[in-house]
Amino acid sequence: EPEVTQTPSHQVTQMGQEVILRCVPISNHLYFYWYRQILGQKVEFLVSFYNNEISEKSEIFDDQFSVERPDGSNFTLKIRSTKLEDSAMYFCASSAFRYGYTFGSGTRLTVV
Amino acid sequence: GQQVMQIPQYQHVQEGEDFTTYCNSSTTLSNIQWYKQRPGGHPVFLIQLVKSGEVKKQKRLTFQFGEAKKNSSLHITATQTTDVGTYFCAGPPTGGSQGNLIFGKGTKLSVKP
Repeated sequence: EPEVTQTPSHQVTQMGQEVILRCVPISNHLYFYWYRQILGQKVEFLVSFYNNEISEKSEIFDDQFSVERPDGSNFTLKIRSTKLEDSAMYFCASSAFRYGYTFGSGTRLTVV
Repeated sequence: GQQVMQIPQYQHVQEGEDFTTYCNSSTTLSNIQWYKQRPGGHPVFLIQLVKSGEVKKQKRLTFQFGEAKKNSSLHITATQTTDVGTYFCAGPPTGGSQGNLIFGKGTKLSVKP
């Protein structure tokens, strides 16, 4: 069964450092998303991406965040200057239609 | 802002007992989706409901969408230990992109063998 692949599985970074989280969505999917989940909390929407541009973003997705699809297969989330409160599990997801996401296994980001 | 609420937050059942989680939105939803997240895992899509009053079944799981399209439920008959996890409902925001989902806080199910 096709999977969404995320790397790394765990990233530890110092406050103020930049991090790039990587995702390989399912190849024939058209919609791409980043969500995050603070430990034990609900899943929160960050950004959606379609047709090589951001289609929607949440209040969480401020100027410190950016997304790219550099080569037609990878989909990255960059946090420019990490804060302690950015510590969370970050999930990439993709979908062929606007429902029924396939989530990746997530990257656990720990900011120290 | 729009909220999606779920109850209960936790449910502990004996294996073989039934389980139900309820989802309520502060506004009408165009559709509702259910996801399951195993401990330490990622959300896995279970189903989407679109029509008012819709009922769908997947083996022991029964999903309902309310007539007013503001509430939904997931019922599991005769729970098994493999049902353990957190069940989330999610729906698109009113007037927003269909791709942006608002998740409920989830119901964490534990099953005692």
